[in-house]
Amino acid sequence: ETGVTQTPRHLVMGMTNKKSLKCEQHLGHNAMYWYKQSAKKPLELMFVYNFKEQTENNSVPSRFSPECPNSSHLFLHLHTLQPEDSALYLCASSQTTDTQYFGPGTRLTVL
Amino acid sequence: AQSVTQPDIHITVSEGASLELRCNYSYGATPYLFWYVQSPGQGLQLLLKYFSGDTLVQGIKGFEAEFKRSQSSFNLRKPSVHWSDAAEYFCAVGARGNTPLVFGKGTRLSVIA
Repeated sequence: ETGVTQTPRHLVMGMTNKKSLKCEQHLGHNAMYWYKQSAKKPLELMFVYNFKEQTENNSVPSRFSPECPNSSHLFLHLHTLQPEDSALYLCASSQTTDTQYFGPGTRLTVL
Repeated sequence: AQSVTQPDIHITVSEGASLELRCNYSYGATPYLFWYVQSPGQGLQLLLKYFSGDTLVQGIKGFEAEFKRSQSSFNLRKPSVHWSDAAEYFCAVGARGNTPLVFGKGTRLSVIA
């Protein structure tokens, strides 16, 4: 369970704030993912990074800006969010076997 | 297009009863199949996975799943449910390489005494 960590676990921010979510994986994986999970909606893939390179951007608004400085760390920078962006943001990592391991998530509330 | 269907949004079972959660998939390539479980406010935990070989796979917490290619199904089963099994269960399908998984919408399991 401690293979993928996410901080903070909870975040409340105003629409004009800038904040960042952090994800760290201790599994030696080469791919990392951001997902958004909203109430009553399916899991939405946001971004995928392979070997630090972004390989997928699932039409995510520019107010979400990912950063992957190395294979172990992934950030999601947030600015001028909307209340509908309130959700559980999940990070995951995988090796080439495709089994994704998830972190506990950051519960984001936008006021 | 790849898709995963979990036909049951919510299932309620009595503690000690058997459980089967359904999953059907549509995938162009040879699928890799997964079941994840999510407790409230938590991340997803891998229960089991199928890549190839024996079509009946065993997972953690006493769960098993059977891959049936002819039915495009990967149903999750447990012979005797415990109250701690109450959670949301997600089926997912993927392929070789770091391709994103496609997730179903989930089935919420409630367990009553």
